[in-house]
Amino acid sequence: EVQLVESGGDLVQPGGSLRLSCAASGFTFSSYWMSWVRQAPGKGLEWVANINQEGSEKYYVDSVKGRFTISRDNAKSSLFLQMNSLRVEDTAVYFCVRVVRAGVTGYTFDIWGQGTMVTVSS
Amino acid sequence: SYELTQPPSVSVSPGQTASITCSGDKLRTKYASWYQQKPGQSPLLVIYQDTKRPSGIPDRFSGSNSGNTATLTISGTQAMDEADYYCQAWDSSTVVFGGGTKLTVL
Repeated sequence: EVQLVESGGDLVQPGGSLRLSCAASGFTFSSYWMSWVRQAPGKGLEWVANINQEGSEKYYVDSVKGRFTISRDNAKSSLFLQMNSLRVEDTAVYFCVRVVRAGVTGYTFDIWGQGTMVTVSS
Repeated sequence: SYELTQPPSVSVSPGQTASITCSGDKLRTKYASWYQQKPGQSPLLVIYQDTKRPSGIPDRFSGSNSGNTATLTISGTQAMDEADYYCQAWDSSTVVFGGGTKLTVL
């Protein structure tokens, strides 16, 4: 069974740090781009970051650039999100997502984890 | 930055056809995907590359993309289709979601 399981969400104070992890199983992890997508309470989906198969290409939404770092360990089929200088507005459920690409503009999130909650509050 | 616009809400009677639109500049030049999200659940891919359905998605779900608008159509809408729906596209190495549409089946 193809599965993504996130962990690491917690309550943290503004300015603090947190590292999210995502364990992948049931597919060849090293063959796929991966992403993090978040959803603030009662709000819509927001893409956070992408990483290519080798970890050599990384892209971020402007609001997290310089604060968040996406990485992966293909040997352990794991995806990570290091979050520093956290803000109240980073409060959200964070989903680990598998990416399927097609051509130049095809970019689809086909497998989603259950999400992990990050709460930034004093 | 690129933006996708969806209506906040759409209502449909059971058995009727629901259409949810997603508008963006020259959207026809990009592939659109659609996700269904029910309360307390992770999003589920229902349409990708404008018109394709993943395995296991009922054929009452269909998609189109023309001009500046992509459309998700649900034919013979059922009560179980009540959910939030999000469109998504890729632009200049970033991913964009629409704001979401709450589909009410009443």
